[in-house]
Amino acid sequence: DAGVIQSPRHEVTEMGQEVTLRCKPISGHDYLFWYRQTMMRGLELLIYFNNNVPIDDSGMPEDRFSAKMPNASFSTLKIQPSEPRDSAVYFCASSYGTMNTEAFFGQGTRLTVV
Amino acid sequence: GQQLNQSPQSMFIQEGEDVSMNCTSSSIFNTWLWYKQEPGEGPVLLIALYKAGELTSNGRLTAQFGITRKDSFLNISASIPSDVGIYFCAAHNAGNMLTFGGGTRLMVKP
Repeated sequence: DAGVIQSPRHEVTEMGQEVTLRCKPISGHDYLFWYRQTMMRGLELLIYFNNNVPIDDSGMPEDRFSAKMPNASFSTLKIQPSEPRDSAVYFCASSYGTMNTEAFFGQGTRLTVV
Repeated sequence: GQQLNQSPQSMFIQEGEDVSMNCTSSSIFNTWLWYKQEPGEGPVLLIALYKAGELTSNGRLTAQFGITRKDSFLNISASIPSDVGIYFCAAHNAGNMLTFGGGTRLMVKP
């Protein structure tokens, strides 16, 4: 298996622009998670899906953030409009069965908003 | 909310030395996990612990699930340069979110 695939690996955008991050989970996994990692706050869970349905989005910082999972093999995290404080590494992870035991992470998208 | 206190925050050791890091919490957890993150990569699962008192090894790595269910440690024996990275503990209870520690940054001098 190719593992969790995220794209792009790096994104540099100007403040105010829309940013879309993409994730392909491991085939057969029924849970998908979006995390944000910063030096100040470490790894933070933003939202997670079970069987393509958003279950808990309490970690999403603001209404500027939205996530979708139209099918079992694809998810997006969108920021509109982006702000410099959104700069971080965003990880997607997936797991099978019991919520987040043994979650497998993608390589992340490093977002820089200037 | 639930927090995991991981220590030390960083370690700079000589190749060949043994390493020990730990994670504590004021809350009880049923599952403890240890991840390693290398530069430019996502965290990779090293060891998963599911039972209080459990001691599990993965090569030169050994981790234990504390008997009180409030702590866990990770040991690395005979460190090598490729052990460099950030090690994260994580824990959760069934039906709850995975909580991560702040990480231990390990640097190994050849």
